[in-house]
Amino acid sequence: GQNIDQPTEMTATEGAIVQINCTYQTSGFNGLFWYQQHAGEAPTFLSYNVLDGLEEKGRFSSFLSRSKGYSYLLLKELQMKDSASYLCAVVDSNYQLIWGAGTKLIIKP
Amino acid sequence: TAGITQAPTSQILAAGRSMTLRCTQDMRHNAMYWYRQDLGLGLRLIHYSNTAGTTGKGEVPDGYSVSRANTDDFPLTLASAVPSQTSVYFCASSDGDSRGEQFFGPGTRLTVL
Repeated sequence: GQNIDQPTEMTATEGAIVQINCTYQTSGFNGLFWYQQHAGEAPTFLSYNVLDGLEEKGRFSSFLSRSKGYSYLLLKELQMKDSASYLCAVVDSNYQLIWGAGTKLIIKP
Repeated sequence: TAGITQAPTSQILAAGRSMTLRCTQDMRHNAMYWYRQDLGLGLRLIHYSNTAGTTGKGEVPDGYSVSRANTDDFPLTLASAVPSQTSVYFCASSDGDSRGEQFFGPGTRLTVL
């Protein structure tokens, strides 16, 4: 079967750095997304990786290793507004998007 | 630009009743999607449409139907609601296939009693 694994919840301190991991086992691979979802709101796009390596976008970076079936989202200089759920999703061989359950990130002052 | 709108925002429905959740986008995106999101589970795809006039089944299509008469609208119908269909429903669209960024509507919170 297809599976996306992420930690259920993480806690970090304002101003610090946090890394949210995502491992996947899917039938094929055509890219990996990270989305942010604040409580009670819709998911919004953060990043897309299809090749191995690190993609940096401001305070957020996303890394992909296709051989390891692994990605992480790195958030730097954490702000209180970064408190949200972070969703990992993989495009499989049928071009279907398979979603992880999400990681709830709690930021403490 | 409104992006994607969904209606209603929330609804309480008696089991056995039918209901249509509405979704409209103004971005002229070809692809549209319906997801449900339940606590502790990832977004699960119900139905999708790659272009106007075509639809396909996702991971959890049973009990739901969709139509795509034009580019902008993608309604989701529950013919006879059951309590297990209590969920938050998100409509999304993308310019192209699943490799493109998906834009989500604000969601419809549905409770079936």
